[in-house]
Amino acid sequence: DTEVTQTPKHLVMGMTNKKSLKCEQHMGHRAMYWYKQKAKKPPELMFVYSYEKLSINESVPSRFSPECPNSSLLNLHLHALQPEDSALYLCASSLGSGDEQYFGPGTRLTVT
Amino acid sequence: QKEVEQNSGPLSVPEGAIASLNCTYSDRGSQSFFWYRQYSGKSPELIMFIYSNGDKEDGRFTAQLNKASQYVSLLIRDSQPSDSATYLCAVNWHSSASKIIFGSGTRLSIRP
Repeated sequence: DTEVTQTPKHLVMGMTNKKSLKCEQHMGHRAMYWYKQKAKKPPELMFVYSYEKLSINESVPSRFSPECPNSSLLNLHLHALQPEDSALYLCASSLGSGDEQYFGPGTRLTVT
Repeated sequence: QKEVEQNSGPLSVPEGAIASLNCTYSDRGSQSFFWYRQYSGKSPELIMFIYSNGDKEDGRFTAQLNKASQYVSLLIRDSQPSDSATYLCAVNWHSSASKIIFGSGTRLSIRP
């Protein structure tokens, strides 16, 4: 089973809202990732967690705040987003760093 | 020079023929190479990964890696209309094993 789940599937939020995206995997993977993907562009890495510790932050604005409560869960907390943050947010996981990554279905985020 | 380069396409191939997708990369230290398929509006799906020089076959798919030429390719035999999608080449970054860099993707269209 190579399933990564993400909730919600769609999210519309205003610029003053606070919301969270959730990602879960039960494959025993120890690395988890957040990506942002705009239309007709490849995914852009945002954050990497390895063994529940943040190992990479690709200079992401502080209005995005990741959290890894345990080895199966990854959250992305959103606050005071801008319309240009509207995108598909993808979670991925891999057994270890450098291993093949499996993506969840994504959350389609619209900021109004 | 882009870090991972792909021809954006569209690449149009008749049904039943072989589709050949190519990718070049700039980091000589890269060790892991991945091909993802992405249908419009969906998340990337891992279809092949390769770590060693040579060919790796899985069903109708063959990945080919030539590290000396910094070149990786994907062959799809007996192409089907359901293979029509964007194919993303991804390469790990040797300075950070957790990080993979995506090419911009090749749009493949299989014509009946």
